[in-house]
Amino acid sequence: EPEVTQTPSHQVTQMGQEVILRCVPISNHLYFYWYRQILGQKVEFLVSFYNNEISEKSEIFDDQFSVERPDGSNFTLKIRSTKLEDSAMYFCASSVSGSTDTQYFGPGTRLTVL
Amino acid sequence: EDQVTQSPEALRLQEGESSSLNCSYTVSGLRGLFWYRQDPGKGPEFLFTLYSAGEEKEKERLKATLTKKESFLHITAPKPEDSATYLCAVVLMFSGGYNKLIFGAGTRLAVHP
Repeated sequence: EPEVTQTPSHQVTQMGQEVILRCVPISNHLYFYWYRQILGQKVEFLVSFYNNEISEKSEIFDDQFSVERPDGSNFTLKIRSTKLEDSAMYFCASSVSGSTDTQYFGPGTRLTVL
Repeated sequence: EDQVTQSPEALRLQEGESSSLNCSYTVSGLRGLFWYRQDPGKGPEFLFTLYSAGEEKEKERLKATLTKKESFLHITAPKPEDSATYLCAVVLMFSGGYNKLIFGAGTRLAVHP
């Protein structure tokens, strides 16, 4: 069964460093999303992406964050200058369409900022 | 403000002891509601989508129902492998067809033999 994959599973970085989290969405899906979950808290929406453009972003998704689909398979989240409060699980999700279609989630990348 | 509230926060059951989890929501125009299961350190695993009041979906020991203000996840004769956090999420739509999910905090279910 097709699934969303994410790499790395765990990333440790120093405060102020740039990190890139990678995702491979399900192959026939056209809409892509990033969510994050701080330990013990709710899953929070960060950004949705379609047709090589951001379609919606939350207030969390400030200028330090960017997303890109560099090729036909990968979808990346870049954090330019990490802060301690960026420590969280980051989940990529994808869906066939952007309506009420099911979003399928990857296993997540645990980001630890020291 | 769009909000999703799940109760209880935690639930401990004996194997075989049926129960229900609640998800109540206040959103402007519900377009859909999802139930996911999340194991520790893992991503949410899709269970059900419900679109309109009165709709029901079933899968093995789980049954999800939807009213105009809340959804229930009924667990019949649970087994220890049903232990997980169950997440409810509502779909918010935006012009252009884009959407995002608003999640509740989840219910941590522990089923003991």
